[in-house]
Amino acid sequence: GAVVSQHPSWVICKSGTSVKIECRSLDFQATTMFWYRQFPKQSLMLMATSNEGSKATYEQGVEKDKFLINHASLTLSTLTVTSAHPEDSSFYICSASQGSYEQYFGPGTRLTVT
Amino acid sequence: QKEVEQNSGPLSVPEGAIASLNCTYSDRVSQSFFWYRQYSGKSPELIMSIYSNGDKEDGRFTAQLNKASQYVSLLIRDSQPSDSATYLCAVNPAGKSTFGDGTTLTVKP
Repeated sequence: GAVVSQHPSWVICKSGTSVKIECRSLDFQATTMFWYRQFPKQSLMLMATSNEGSKATYEQGVEKDKFLINHASLTLSTLTVTSAHPEDSSFYICSASQGSYEQYFGPGTRLTVT
Repeated sequence: QKEVEQNSGPLSVPEGAIASLNCTYSDRVSQSFFWYRQYSGKSPELIMSIYSNGDKEDGRFTAQLNKASQYVSLLIRDSQPSDSATYLCAVNPAGKSTFGDGTTLTVKP
């Protein structure tokens, strides 16, 4: 149980375009979903927290107009990187929680912006 | 001071030995504590959660929590090369986990 999927697993896009990443909880309803970014050999960086039906709460320094998060249902959250630039290239990971504070991570999406 | 502190390592142990990973946290109201394992290039995987003082065992893993001293540890018995990974400590005072930077463990055959 507690499986979280992400799609796509990797994506290459051109500078200036937008990319959407989906995060789904497959066998449970996620009251809260989290989005992280991780650069090589660095620690997880929390970008935002989202609750179903509510606006996401962004961490300090994360541009909410650049990283659009939608938590449309208890099983789906999406992260859209708008007007992507090479510095946005990173490993994006979502996680989901069903209220017990345990977070279950998706497999991650590796984004490369050329 | 970071909210959650871990020794970055690398920690190297021989196969079959006990690996000991430590974590300290600053928020005294924290109630939930977790250990995640992250292999290189992969996302974190939850391996242990602990909520009460004392020890919690699951197979070769034992989590230890001491709220008075604000530390949580993870012991891995009979370490295997497949245990080589980065171990992340997470502390949850209010519905959102704060992660340490992780300790990299290498188990040598």
